[in-house]
Amino acid sequence: GESVGLHLPTLSVQEGDNSIINCAYSNSASDYFIWYKQESGKGPQFIIDIRSNMDKRQGQRVTVLLNKTVKHLSLQIAATQPGDSAVYFCAEGLEGGADGLTFGKGTHLIIQP
Amino acid sequence: DGGITQSPKYLFRKEGQNVTLSCEQNLNHDAMYWYRQDPGQGLRLIYYSQIVNDFQKGDIAEGYSVSREKKESFPLTVTSAQKNPTAFYLCASSKRRNTGELFFGEGSRLTVL
Repeated sequence: GESVGLHLPTLSVQEGDNSIINCAYSNSASDYFIWYKQESGKGPQFIIDIRSNMDKRQGQRVTVLLNKTVKHLSLQIAATQPGDSAVYFCAEGLEGGADGLTFGKGTHLIIQP
Repeated sequence: DGGITQSPKYLFRKEGQNVTLSCEQNLNHDAMYWYRQDPGQGLRLIYYSQIVNDFQKGDIAEGYSVSREKKESFPLTVTSAQKNPTAFYLCASSKRRNTGELFFGEGSRLTVL
């Protein structure tokens, strides 16, 4: 697979546990935030997004929390499964479009059996 | 099934040669993007196109060229002017401009020998 996971922070959790992946963003003017998942050798997949007028948004087994005061974003994955093993990265931008997105470097999530 | 198809998946090139990476989508999306991904790095935008026959430079356009003659197709040429072309290249599309929900292809790995 692709070596996109090299030198990334790694989070290892037991299957069935909850995981929390954190992201610090840099631009206080950003008003739109997204989480992507990238499995080895594949392109990224959109997971969930959140706009700055919200501080929490839930999807299927995932929750994104936004703390604008400290410019922090987190992704919570409930009841982790082996298929959750991947690199997760956040992106920040303005609601004008994808051309203005800034992507983070990612966190490698490993699910232990 | 609708999606984005990138080809080739792996490509080797000698220094001084131009190479073109193919990206085709059958999602009827207006916007298409090319990103570069290096190990341990966030995605960086090379070029994007919001509409046929129009495209804009991203953050790292030097040494690359694109065309958008058809809605479905957005090929990327890596020219000999690109100083460090070895990388994983990702093509993406979005249904409309003002969204960060990108649909990615599986990527093309270019290695310069």
